[in-house]
Parts: sequence; C-alpha cells; structure tokens
Amino acid sequence: GQQLNQSPQSMFIQEGEDVSMNCTSSSIFNTWLWYKQDPGEGPVLLIALYKAGELTSNGRLTAQFGTTRKDSFLNISASIPSDVGIYFCAGQGGNQFYFGTGTSLTVIP
Amino acid sequence: DSGVTQTPKHLITATGQRVTLRCSPRSGDLSVYWYQQSLDQGLQFLIQYYNGEERAKGNILERFSAQQFPDLHSELNLSSLELGDSALYFCASSVLSGTRGNTIYFGEGSWLTVV
Repeated sequence: GQQLNQSPQSMFIQEGEDVSMNCTSSSIFNTWLWYKQDPGEGPVLLIALYKAGELTSNGRLTAQFGTTRKDSFLNISASIPSDVGIYFCAGQGGNQFYFGTGTSLTVIP
Repeated sequence: DSGVTQTPKHLITATGQRVTLRCSPRSGDLSVYWYQQSLDQGLQFLIQYYNGEERAKGNILERFSAQQFPDLHSELNLSSLELGDSALYFCASSVLSGTRGNTIYFGEGSWLTVV
C-alpha cells in the first residue's frame, strides 16, 4: 500500500530545542493525523487536521494541514525528555489511512 | 485510553500453531483495521472491516484471516505460524468509512512471539 514520505527519519536534539518534522504524499488527503508511539505500545493520537491550511495546537505541539492537501507538518516546542518516541503521520484518502515511516526522536537532557 | 480494546496483550506460541487476536472497537465505531508492526518497522496494513463486511485488504498473508461480528468486535486469525510472524498486531477503529473528518484510534496491541 501507499506510504507517506516522512522526514527526518531520526532526530537527536538537546532538551529545550524545538523540533520540526513533515510528511508528504503524492495523493490528496481529506485528513491528516499525527501520532506518538512509545516502545511496545500503540500509537496515540496527538493532533487531527481536517481542512487544508488548518493549524492546530495541542500544548507544545502544533501541526498544519498543507494548503496543497499533500503535506503536513508537526512542530514540538521546548522539547522535554518525555517527548522521546516515534512520531507517525497518517493521511486519510477514501476508506484508507496511509502511514508515514516514522520519525524517531531522541531528547538529550 | 483510546477506547479500543485488544486481547491478549502478550502471547508466546510455537511454529505451526494457530492463534486468534481479539479487538473491541471504540463505542460507535463501525470500521475496524488490523495492522502488523515488526521490530523497528512501520505499520503494515493488513485488512479493514466496515459494519461486518470486508472493505479493504492490504499485505495480509493467506495464512491470516479476519472477521467482524454483528456486535462489531473483530478477530484476526493467524495460522501455520512462522518465526517471521512475531510482531505487534494492532487493531484500530474509526467512526465511518470514507468520510471527511475521520479519525483512527489504536488499541495497545497484541505482542505475538513465535518460538
């Protein structure tokens, strides 16, 4: 199935730094979703975006639905150690949800 | 808590055996999805059901099958298990299929180890 291009693949940052990651697709999506997954656990929904251009925040997290409907961005401000994990984007097209390959985030105290 | 319940959380079984994974979707969700995630890998879509009917198939092996029951819970059956089937299996659910504004929620997963 289709997979989204998610970058970067991994990030190593200092505590307190801001983080940016993005997803791109060759297809137009109706919905963009961002998840965080801790090892051995299920992905947890962070932010859902439903309209092109929409900008939504959840605490220190901010995500945007790209105006072309083919991309989305996630920013984390002032990172803390508990932000460590794998972040996945997902796009909905028709019946299906397509997932990015994940961004592994390591926060160095 | 996403509202999606999966059982069992962990199981260990021998090659050649058969196991059944169970999923209860969020209240009101009609669509159930199954995903496989191997170590350090992304989410591989297996199959989707909507209101009891198969809606979409992904990379699901012929040894695997699934169904969704009238009460909307779903089961994933894995048979003739091989070492390579060891993985986390996730169930996810969403309200409607193909509608704008849809969101998908994941269970905590069933960790299968084949020895």
